[in-house]
Amino acid sequence: AQTVTQSQPEMSVQEAETVTLSCTYDTSESDYYLFWYKQPPSRQMILVIRQEAYKQQNATENRFSVNFQKAAKSFSLKISDSQLGDAAMYFCAYRPAQKLVFGQGTRLTINP
Amino acid sequence: DAGVTQSPTHLIKTRGQHVTLRCSPISGHKSVSWYQQVLGQGPQFIFQYYEKEERGRGNFPDRFSARQFPNYSSELNVNALLLGDSALYLCASSAGQGLETQYFGPGTRLLVL
Repeated sequence: AQTVTQSQPEMSVQEAETVTLSCTYDTSESDYYLFWYKQPPSRQMILVIRQEAYKQQNATENRFSVNFQKAAKSFSLKISDSQLGDAAMYFCAYRPAQKLVFGQGTRLTINP
Repeated sequence: DAGVTQSPTHLIKTRGQHVTLRCSPISGHKSVSWYQQVLGQGPQFIFQYYEKEERGRGNFPDRFSARQFPNYSSELNVNALLLGDSALYLCASSAGQGLETQYFGPGTRLLVL
């Protein structure tokens, strides 16, 4: 079964500090993509970052970076210099083919 | 360029009724996928359409159906609504049907009373 697990239902961080959100997934596929999406209270799902499984180099997008460990099936998201606008639900997602498989989400709170 | 658009934004129905949700993909995108997100959970895959054909279906009953039109817009239909169908319905578009990024619309909030 293809599953995605986010073990941290809630996280909080002080503004300007760094936080890491965890994600593990289960798959027998060799070719797939991994994503982090952000869902603010408006509920629009916004793409944060993407990682192709065949790439060894970890993806980076400005203050957002991932630690992709393919053998361990781990895909964590690091947010540096946290800002108030980063407060949202964060979903890890895995895409083997047609569909996205989502985790349960981590609610991130930013403390001013 | 416009992103993915969905209509309506909110909808209230009663049990047993039928509902149609609409989605327009990003210009140039040929694939549309539908997801159901129940409050407090991650989205669950319902359908993927590519070039007007169903290319994937999630574990949803036959009350759920969809179609894609020649302009690549899509409709999701749900018959005989149940209270448990209350959710946020998300549409996502991608350029193709393979390993590509899906971009989401704002969603339609459906409440079934």
